[in-house]
Amino acid sequence: AQSVAQPEDQVNVAEGNPLTVKCTYSVSGNPYLFWYVQYPNRGLQFLLKYITGDNLVKGSYGFEAEFNKSQTSFHLKKPSALVSDSALYFCAVRDPDSSYKLIFGSGTRLLVRP
Amino acid sequence: EAQVTQNPRYLITVTGKKLTVTCSQNMNHEYMSWYRQDPGLGLRQIYYSMNVEVTDKGDVPEGYKVSRKEKRNFPLILESPSPNQTSLYFCASSDAPQGFTEAFFGQGTRLTVV
Repeated sequence: AQSVAQPEDQVNVAEGNPLTVKCTYSVSGNPYLFWYVQYPNRGLQFLLKYITGDNLVKGSYGFEAEFNKSQTSFHLKKPSALVSDSALYFCAVRDPDSSYKLIFGSGTRLLVRP
Repeated sequence: EAQVTQNPRYLITVTGKKLTVTCSQNMNHEYMSWYRQDPGLGLRQIYYSMNVEVTDKGDVPEGYKVSRKEKRNFPLILESPSPNQTSLYFCASSDAPQGFTEAFFGQGTRLTVV
């Protein structure tokens, strides 16, 4: 079955330190991968996507993600975390059976402490 | 300002009382979707629409109806709500299928069915 896993419910990091939010996927065919962020009382906002090409994808707010086909992973990273990065992060992959559908992970809460 | 607007933001209702959650986008997008967000489950797609008068079921369509009579509007209808439909609902729109491109999300509707 197609799926996306975010193994950590919460990630804690100090401001100024690098952060990583993990995502692994299991889909048939070539994956189309996305990261979205949800701030409190807000809808999801698009951060970045990987369709093809360079394995390192740069996105909004200084975030980037690395596609690793052999490890079936798409981890979200940022070199220096800000308190304002504290939010809920979702990894998603296109459903290979329907381009109209995304399969979302369960979400990872990022807490950046001052 | 480009946006997806959902109403109401919060709703408490009783079992069996029909309700409608409205969704409107001002970006002239063809593709719209409804998702529900539940703790530990991420977002799951309820219905999607590829254009006016064209809709299809997502992963969890039971108990929901939608219509797309105009391009900008995509209301979600619960004919007879039940407590298991208590959830956080999001509408999303995009200019291409959401498996390929950035989706824009509304701020969400928190529904409680008692």
